[in-house]
Amino acid sequence: GESVGLHLPTLSVQEGDNSIINCAYSNSASDYFIWYKQESGKGPQFIIDIRSNMDKRQGQRVTVLLNKTVKHLSLQIAATQPGDSAVYFCAENSDQAGTALIFGKGTTLSVSS
Amino acid sequence: DVKVTQSSRYLVKRTGEKVFLECVQDMDHENMFWYRQDPGLGLRLIYFSYDVKMKEKGDIPEGYSVSREKKERFSLILESASTNQTSMYLCASSLGPNGRGYTFGSGTRLTVV
Repeated sequence: GESVGLHLPTLSVQEGDNSIINCAYSNSASDYFIWYKQESGKGPQFIIDIRSNMDKRQGQRVTVLLNKTVKHLSLQIAATQPGDSAVYFCAENSDQAGTALIFGKGTTLSVSS
Repeated sequence: DVKVTQSSRYLVKRTGEKVFLECVQDMDHENMFWYRQDPGLGLRLIYFSYDVKMKEKGDIPEGYSVSREKKERFSLILESASTNQTSMYLCASSLGPNGRGYTFGSGTRLTVV
């Protein structure tokens, strides 16, 4: 079946570096994408979203890029901080799933001081 | 602040027991979802509901059932718990169609012994 996946299960960076977390999706019909952050012992929390009619969206210290040609989504975190250490999930909406999001497997970001 | 509340953070149950996981949201959301989260597999959809008394199977409904008698409450039922159902269970709700505005609970870590 179609699913959303992430390129790397883990990513380690130094404090102050920029982080890039990647995600590949396979359903070209998906029109809405979200990034979530999950800290240890907590549920996933919304970070930023993007619709398929856009290729870039910026938030506070985060940027999401969407490349529909190669079905690729990325999350960029500027000046990464120890508090950014978490598991990051991308998610997509497909009409085939109705109102439910389809999630990728997650990337664990570790930030060292 | 909008909230999705899961009644238990940790549960330990015996094989063969009937288990109820409760989820309540205070946002008047139409849609509610149950996912399970396992290392390396990400979030997998078990069941979702888009209205009271309505339910739809997700990707992995086997061994589970759900109940939505009131708009704010969505229960996940393990009819006869098995050790392979040991997992983190996450409830979410959303207002809009197509995955917009998902909010997650903090999760219930279930161990079946």
